[in-house]
Amino acid sequence: KQEVTQIPAALSVPEGENLVLNCSFTDSAIYNLQWFRQDPGKGLTSLLLIQSSQREQTSGRLNASLDKSSGRSTLYIAASQPGDSATYLCAVDNYGQNFVFGPGTRLSVLP
Amino acid sequence: GAVVSQHPSWVICKSGTSVKIECRSLDFQATTMFWYRQFPKQSLMLMATSNEGSKATYEQGVEKDKFLINHASLTLSTLTVTSAHPEDSSFYICSARDRRGGYNEQFFGPGTRLTVL
Repeated sequence: KQEVTQIPAALSVPEGENLVLNCSFTDSAIYNLQWFRQDPGKGLTSLLLIQSSQREQTSGRLNASLDKSSGRSTLYIAASQPGDSATYLCAVDNYGQNFVFGPGTRLSVLP
Repeated sequence: GAVVSQHPSWVICKSGTSVKIECRSLDFQATTMFWYRQFPKQSLMLMATSNEGSKATYEQGVEKDKFLINHASLTLSTLTVTSAHPEDSSFYICSARDRRGGYNEQFFGPGTRLTVL
């Protein structure tokens, strides 16, 4: 059974810092991995999708990497801003089945 | 990107009533839709997988007679919470799988917040 964990559970940083969020999964036989952002009381916003054959994806200040063999993904946020404050969820796609979500990392970027 | 809508966005109901939540894929056909539930400060947990034209597949521990799922068309799936109780209060999110382009990406609706009094 696929299990997804995320470290740290919560993170508070001053504005401008670069930061890394970590995601680990137990079964490396995944189809893809997706990072989401969730604001309090809101739905999910897809940030980056990495196919199993890819190593990384970039969008603006965000860069996500995937090491499928070791069961790890990282989300790098450059020059963090207060508007980046949210919960970040990673989810793995078990070959066309459902997504399995991690517990999330709650990020606070202080002005 | 593809758009998934949910209706209503929030609902408050009395204990014992039934509530229907709609999930629509607006600009693509979704043969498979998923329903998730999220309790406060917890992550999303899959409730059931809904395939167009067939019965839904429920995850262990989810009562299929309480959470009725209908996927009558390629763009619409509904979740009905029957005889709702306060413990059913949660954030319900649907997603639809878009297989165009081979990316097999899931797109999520904005969620429905259910409060049962």
